[in-house]
Amino acid sequence: DQQVKQNSPSLSVQEGRISILNCDYTNSMFDYFLWYKKYPAEGPTFLISISSIKDKNEDGRFTVFLNKSAKHLSLHIVPSQPGDSAVYFCAAGPGSNYQLIWGAGTKLIIKP
Amino acid sequence: EAQVTQNPRYLITVTGKKLTVTCSQNMNHEYMSWYRQDPGLGLRQIYYSMNVEVTDKGDVPEGYKVSRKEKRNFPLILESPSPNQTSLYFCASWTGYHYEQYFGPGTRLTVT
Repeated sequence: DQQVKQNSPSLSVQEGRISILNCDYTNSMFDYFLWYKKYPAEGPTFLISISSIKDKNEDGRFTVFLNKSAKHLSLHIVPSQPGDSAVYFCAAGPGSNYQLIWGAGTKLIIKP
Repeated sequence: EAQVTQNPRYLITVTGKKLTVTCSQNMNHEYMSWYRQDPGLGLRQIYYSMNVEVTDKGDVPEGYKVSRKEKRNFPLILESPSPNQTSLYFCASWTGYHYEQYFGPGTRLTVT
């Protein structure tokens, strides 16, 4: 049973436009959500996070929105740049034993 | 430079031949974890450690062993590897005060 789902395996966006990556979760006890970015042949790197007491968090071009009633979060990247092409993972916590529960990832492709 | 290192980066081995993947972090983090990444499944936790000599199973521990004799090191041991352990493995560390985890570059393991 996947508690964190990223339903889009891939997403293609024109450079300069907005990229929106989505993530759904089922466990209402999750109180912290994170987005990670992963380039090929590298480990995931932390991008941005949000706690359940907020509904929005911004960091430069990246904004995460949290809709607790819908159990949904999204990552907005504006404007999208070629260097944003990567796999993006959504994660939520805490799971049992303080672990993070991860989505399957969305591959974002920014077209020039 | 704060980092998590893993060795080897790539490994091809045969069924039943014991192997160890090393992981080391220089951030004095209490928590460390091993994940495997498989297509369409995201990151699944194999084992984690809350401190020296304290380890526990994650979601997919079968066929793996770990040890935490020093704070900085957390090796992953496959006593008798099988083809279904062919995967991409990541080591991560974090403080435990928040959820942001730092990942190593990954180890691509192929068991034939």
